[in-house]
Amino acid sequence: QQQVKQSPQSLIVQKGGISIINCAYENTAFDYFPWYQQFPGKGPALLIAIRPDVSEKKEGRFTISFNKSAKQFSLHIMDSQPGDSATYFCAALHYGQNFVFGPGTRLSVLP
Amino acid sequence: NAGVTQTPKFRVLKTGQSMTLLCAQDMNHEYMYWYRQDPGMGLRLIHYSVGEGTTAKGEVPDGYNVSRLKKQNFLLGLESAAPSQTSVYFCASRGPVSYEQYFGPGTRLTVT
Repeated sequence: QQQVKQSPQSLIVQKGGISIINCAYENTAFDYFPWYQQFPGKGPALLIAIRPDVSEKKEGRFTISFNKSAKQFSLHIMDSQPGDSATYFCAALHYGQNFVFGPGTRLSVLP
Repeated sequence: NAGVTQTPKFRVLKTGQSMTLLCAQDMNHEYMYWYRQDPGMGLRLIHYSVGEGTTAKGEVPDGYNVSRLKKQNFLLGLESAAPSQTSVYFCASRGPVSYEQYFGPGTRLTVT
């Protein structure tokens, strides 16, 4: 099945807190797992990505944790800022060709 | 370097009308994608192309056709628009080695 599940649907975090978004998949043919950030009226933009041979990747305040055996991966945003308020999508690349997206999480960071 | 551009930005169609959405990229990318975005459903792949002259169906291809006659352009056609095709359409491209997708700004289509 080419499906990626994502939770929660929406998330409210205080400034300085940690935002955590989770994704899960079934298809073992997925070989790359990116996270996209989308602001209203704009196209999605790549935030951070991981390959399945790595368990964690950190870029600044953003970290992906990847659990291959559980077929789960998550995005952690440390020290969340109001400017991080956006919709976040996880995705998975199928056999290096086409992407499958999760339904998205709307993050609101309160000042 | 404009990246990925989409034409038009907005369009209103009546049921049964046809139109073509144009996506252009100036990064010499092999892969190009058309997605639709609907509230609560993320981005769903309509069609994609792995190189000039190739196309393949995605998750939701019905009612749409595509063409990739030139490497830099990927056209999405609606032959007979239906209200269910009201959506925001995004085009994206990426190179053959890097998996990073670059998205266009989107086209908001309303079918009445």
